[in-house]
Amino acid sequence: KAGVTQTPRYLIKTRGQQVTLSCSPISGHRSVSWYQQTPGQGLQFLFEYFSETQRNKGNFPGRFSGRQFSNSRSEMNVSTLELGDSALYLCASSLNLNPGDYGYTFGSGTRLTVV
Amino acid sequence: GQQLNQSPQSMFIQEGEDVSMNCTSSSIFNTWLWYKQDPGEGPVLLIALYKAGELTSNGRLTAQFGITRKDSFLNISASIPSDVGIYFCAGQGTGNQFYFGTGTSLTVIP
Repeated sequence: KAGVTQTPRYLIKTRGQQVTLSCSPISGHRSVSWYQQTPGQGLQFLFEYFSETQRNKGNFPGRFSGRQFSNSRSEMNVSTLELGDSALYLCASSLNLNPGDYGYTFGSGTRLTVV
Repeated sequence: GQQLNQSPQSMFIQEGEDVSMNCTSSSIFNTWLWYKQDPGEGPVLLIALYKAGELTSNGRLTAQFGITRKDSFLNISASIPSDVGIYFCAGQGTGNQFYFGTGTSLTVIP
């Protein structure tokens, strides 16, 4: 079965612009989480969605937002981009609300570069 | 957010050697996961641990859930070049959120 699909793989944006990233979870997975990965900070949790509801949110400014659709696909949006937003954005899906039961399956990520 | 202390930060080893890395936390966790990440890709789950003291193997990989529930260990035996990558631990407490270690970068010299 198909894995977690993230689009686009690479993105270059200018400071001040906004960006939308997409994540399609494994078929049947209802929980989707987003992470920001940078060399200095490692994997930082952004938010988690389950059945179209945000269940958890990390410590990121309000410029970072997300949503989940009825087919479990998820999008995250970053507005007013800053240079420090350059990172690999990873999406992970799991079968149910407790990802510990089955672990997360990660996508390949979207590499965002802000210039 | 909370981060786990993972060590060592990097390792350079000869092919065939065994590798050990560990993760510690100030909080008690109920689940530990170990992932490997290749350059430009997302992390891939290697081993999941659900009980204190649990020892689980996956081929040449063995991981243990520490008795205190505040640490976990990953061992790789007889390393091969394709073991190269960054290894992450992740711990989950009473909430659903996972916290990730800072990663161990492994280089295997043929």
